[in-house]
Amino acid sequence: KAGVTQTPRYLIKTRGQQVTLSCSPISGHRSVSWYQQTPGQGLQFLFEYFSETQRNKGNFPGRFSGRQFSNSRSEMNVSTLELGDSALYLCASSLEAGGTTDTQYFGPGTRLTVL
Amino acid sequence: AQKVTQAQTEISVVEKEDVTLDCVYETRDTTYYLFWYKQPPSGELVFLIRRNSFDEQNEISGRYSWNFQKSTSSFNFTITASQVVDSAVYFCALSRPLSGSRLTFGEGTQLTVNP
Repeated sequence: KAGVTQTPRYLIKTRGQQVTLSCSPISGHRSVSWYQQTPGQGLQFLFEYFSETQRNKGNFPGRFSGRQFSNSRSEMNVSTLELGDSALYLCASSLEAGGTTDTQYFGPGTRLTVL
Repeated sequence: AQKVTQAQTEISVVEKEDVTLDCVYETRDTTYYLFWYKQPPSGELVFLIRRNSFDEQNEISGRYSWNFQKSTSSFNFTITASQVVDSAVYFCALSRPLSGSRLTFGEGTQLTVNP
């Protein structure tokens, strides 16, 4: 079974631009979560989607948004990029969410650099 | 609030040594889940183990073993006869059922195994 895939793997943007990252979960997985990893803040939860609905949200500004499609694929968008948004963005999928905790399996990440 | 602490920022050992990575967690929940993930230089988080709060049995998988002690809120990870390929950052994480699949990560421990 194919793992979680993320595109693109690397991105370079400039301040003020916006960016869209894509994540395809493991086949059959219905929950997709996004995390930001930086050297200073470590791994931080951004949001989780299940059945096209945002189920959980971390403590990030409104510039960070996401969505999930009917095939469980997910995208996250960051608008008005800031230098501090430079990070590795990791997507994870799990079989089911809501009332239970399934194991999350992670993709290879998208390395975003903001200049 | 939940918190995971990995006090060891970096550990360096020589191949074939045994090494233990510490993880201490804080939560008010009686039901929760603990995880260990490995992050090699490629960036992808690789799932190693999941343990629920009601199962305090230690687990062994090949050279890996885990010691879960609720009395001390610890979930330590031991690698026996370490190998160079074990070099990576290891993360301990915590989740609670009502938060879906959301993970709270520790800061990570960089393990370097020297030949």
